[in-house]
Amino acid sequence: EIVLTQSPGTLSLSPGERATLSCRASQTVSSTYLAWYQQRPGQAPRLLIYGASSRATGIPDRFSGSRSGTDFTLTISRLEPEDFAVYYCHHYGWSVFGGGTKVEIK
Amino acid sequence: QVTLKESGPALVKPTQTLTLTCTFSGFSLSTRGMRVSWIRQPPGKALEWLAHIDWDDDKFYNTSLKTRLTISRDTSKNQVVLTMTNMDPVDTATYYCARFPTVTAFDYWGQGTLVTVSS
Repeated sequence: EIVLTQSPGTLSLSPGERATLSCRASQTVSSTYLAWYQQRPGQAPRLLIYGASSRATGIPDRFSGSRSGTDFTLTISRLEPEDFAVYYCHHYGWSVFGGGTKVEIK
Repeated sequence: QVTLKESGPALVKPTQTLTLTCTFSGFSLSTRGMRVSWIRQPPGKALEWLAHIDWDDDKFYNTSLKTRLTISRDTSKNQVVLTMTNMDPVDTATYYCARFPTVTAFDYWGQGTLVTVSS
């Protein structure tokens, strides 16, 4: 069974800064089925990235996804106030979620 | 416009069976490649995939919960139903359904429904 480990658990940054979130798979997985979601308090998750690097409809281009080996990265180039939230990676081929990274205001 | 909405009891007692319904619109579950999934999230914790059902009625379950889960669909009503037997307080969570076109992950989600398991 695949395990997705997200790091860090919490990221404390200021608006305008760059955020780099990591998701490591326990074994080699297809990047075709790697997604990232944003979840704001009290809301359902929102799809940001699918296929490791494709932005979902309506997602701003400050969000980007990439892969290096078993490591997947979500980058937010310049944090906007609405970006402070929890982010989850998800391998939808193996139907497993990571534990989440909270991006909080420093 | 794609929408999904979960419905079911807010409170169930331990050992009871939970039945949740996902009513959707704006897409057809009969379209090749389309799926509907159920996901849950205990308070303050991470997301956990539970099950999904395919356009051709194939069903897939979380292996650790498989013996307790049943997913089904009513295509004429645009509904997907999830039942979970032998509910326990650790099953207290917000339960979501989501549209799952195979390539593009869970692209639309319902608002979620909080289910509390308590005597």
